[in-house]
Amino acid sequence: EPEVTQTPSHQVTQMGQEVILRCVPISNHLYFYWYRQILGQKVEFLVSFYNNEISEKSEIFDDQFSVERPDGSNFTLKIRSTKLEDSAMYFCASSEAWGLGGDQPQHFGDGTRLSIL
Amino acid sequence: GQQLNQSPQSMFIQEGEDVSMNCTSSSIFNTWLWYKQDPGEGPVLLIALYKAGELTSNGRLTAQFGITRKDSFLNISASIPSDVGIYFCAGQEGAGGTSYGKLTFGQGTILTVHP
Repeated sequence: EPEVTQTPSHQVTQMGQEVILRCVPISNHLYFYWYRQILGQKVEFLVSFYNNEISEKSEIFDDQFSVERPDGSNFTLKIRSTKLEDSAMYFCASSEAWGLGGDQPQHFGDGTRLSIL
Repeated sequence: GQQLNQSPQSMFIQEGEDVSMNCTSSSIFNTWLWYKQDPGEGPVLLIALYKAGELTSNGRLTAQFGITRKDSFLNISASIPSDVGIYFCAGQEGAGGTSYGKLTFGQGTILTVHP
């Protein structure tokens, strides 16, 4: 069964450094998402992306964050000048469709554990 | 923002018992989903519900989309040790809403099954 893949599985970075988290969504999916989960807490929405632009972003997704689809397969989340509180699991998700024409569920990758020292 | 209240927070049961957990919201969702998360992994979709009143099964799992569109429950029958994990409900506004597919998650129910 096709799946969402994320790399790296674990990233350790010094505070203030930039990180790029990578995702390969399921190949025929058109809608892409990033979520994060701080240890022991619920999953929180960060951003949705469709047709090469951000559709929606949460309050968490401030100027420190950016997303990009640099080619036909990858979807990246960049965090500039990381802070201690950015330590969390970051999940990428994708779905085939959303909205008129039929909602399709989001499928998640296994996440990248980001540790900021 | 929208909040989902999921209960119970945790459950400790014996193998073979049935389990029930639920989510409630103060606002309407047009789609309800149930995910399971194992340690170190991402959420895995269990059941998706698209219509108010819908009752859907997936093996030993049954989930319902509440008539008011503000709640959903998940039942697991005849639990087995591999059912252990964290179960999350998630709501989605759907077309015509102000969000674009964003999922709002509940706090999760930690399920422990004793053999």
